[in-house]
Amino acid sequence: QSVLSQPPSVSGTPGQRVTISCSGSTSNIGGNGVNWYQRLPGTAPRLLINRDNERPSGVPDRFSASKSGTSASLAISGLQSEDEADYYCATWDDGLNDPVVLFGGGTKLTV
Amino acid sequence: QVQLQESGPGLVKASETLSLTCTVSGGSVSSGSYYWSWIRQPPGKGLEWIGYFYYSATTHYNPSLKSRATISVDTSKNHFSLRLTSLSAADTAVYYCARDGDMDTAMAPGTFEVWGRGTMVAVSS
Repeated sequence: QSVLSQPPSVSGTPGQRVTISCSGSTSNIGGNGVNWYQRLPGTAPRLLINRDNERPSGVPDRFSASKSGTSASLAISGLQSEDEADYYCATWDDGLNDPVVLFGGGTKLTV
Repeated sequence: QVQLQESGPGLVKASETLSLTCTVSGGSVSSGSYYWSWIRQPPGKGLEWIGYFYYSATTHYNPSLKSRATISVDTSKNHFSLRLTSLSAADTAVYYCARDGDMDTAMAPGTFEVWGRGTMVAVSS
């Protein structure tokens, strides 16, 4: 059971908009920037969003993210078949004396 | 363009020590701009951050692995390494190395912008 809670799966049809949630607490999401990663089948994860809502160069603007309080969300609009992948949120947790990078459990997107 | 490549044994025995290397090309592990991290993913489970090394010899580890993990850098070979002791079946995973953070753009550590392809490590009893 991950400290950062994501739905195990979401699905959508081509062209639709889907959102993936990531729920945490004040010691992680509530006080630190959230990153999102996409892991296509058989490949290494790819940074999709950093610092809550910034897209690195090369990431399509169909991908967006937001954060409110202790929850974050990733939105994918104009869904495409190639978006079928696992998506992970991640952030620092500094609730204890030893900060740690946490990942959500991951959400499998089926298109 | 920076590329990372993990290498190491695919199979190790329980109670032994795992040693993995991440070779960096197109960039330098001596750069003060980046941290260098290891992350793993057990089969069917989520990602777990192991720790990072910074060029000033600063290291920081996941508390859950702190007593068993050591990350070091060899600047002459432009690679960094992970050593994990007292292995058990729970350490079976795909191990990734990653370039972490970017001081030039104020990207904090814990932001993994470049990843290796990963290497599968199985621990046998």
